[in-house]
Amino acid sequence: EVQLVESGGGLVQPGGSLRLSCAASGFTFASYAMSWVRQAPGKGLEWVSAISGSGGSPYYADSAMRRFTISRDNSKNTLYLQMSSLRAEDTAVYYCARELRGVISEIDYWGQGTLVTVSS
Amino acid sequence: DIQMTQSPSSVSASVGDRVTITCRASQGISSWLAWYQQKPGKAPKLLIYAASSLQSGVPSRFSGSGSGTDFTLTISRLQPEDFATYYCQQANSFPITFGQGTRLEIK
Repeated sequence: EVQLVESGGGLVQPGGSLRLSCAASGFTFASYAMSWVRQAPGKGLEWVSAISGSGGSPYYADSAMRRFTISRDNSKNTLYLQMSSLRAEDTAVYYCARELRGVISEIDYWGQGTLVTVSS
Repeated sequence: DIQMTQSPSSVSASVGDRVTITCRASQGISSWLAWYQQKPGKAPKLLIYAASSLQSGVPSRFSGSGSGTDFTLTISRLQPEDFATYYCQQANSFPITFGQGTRLEIK
């Protein structure tokens, strides 16, 4: 059974940093591209970043560029999102997601999400 | 960026009704389109990929069609568990973008 379990969310002050993790199980992690998608309270879905199965070629939304860094450790079956210079508008539930086919694709599995709140 | 526009933004329907939700892309995306269902407090669930392919385990009352810029999601006979919010997503080019969502409510 495919499982994606996010952790690392919480309350952080504006300008602060946070690292999200996503522990994957139930599939060959290195064979799949992965993404982070977020959802602000009461709002729609926003893609944040994606990374290939090998860990090369990261992609970012404009809102994440130069502030967020996606990475993965295939030996630990874990996806990461390092977030810095956080703003109030980054407040959202962050979902870890598995791409169905390739680095730009539909998403076939989602984690349960981890809430990031940016507030003083 | 490719803009995805869903209509309607919300719709009220009854159990047993047939419902159609549309999604329009601001430029052609071939068949690189997915549909998701999301219930309150839960992660989205993939229903349809490649515009018309039914994800494993999804009931056959869900169907998708379209290519290029215009797409539809049809639920043929609404069941109580279908009342949720639905999103389309383009997977043609970065940045990946989603529609704003369609809330399906019980009439």
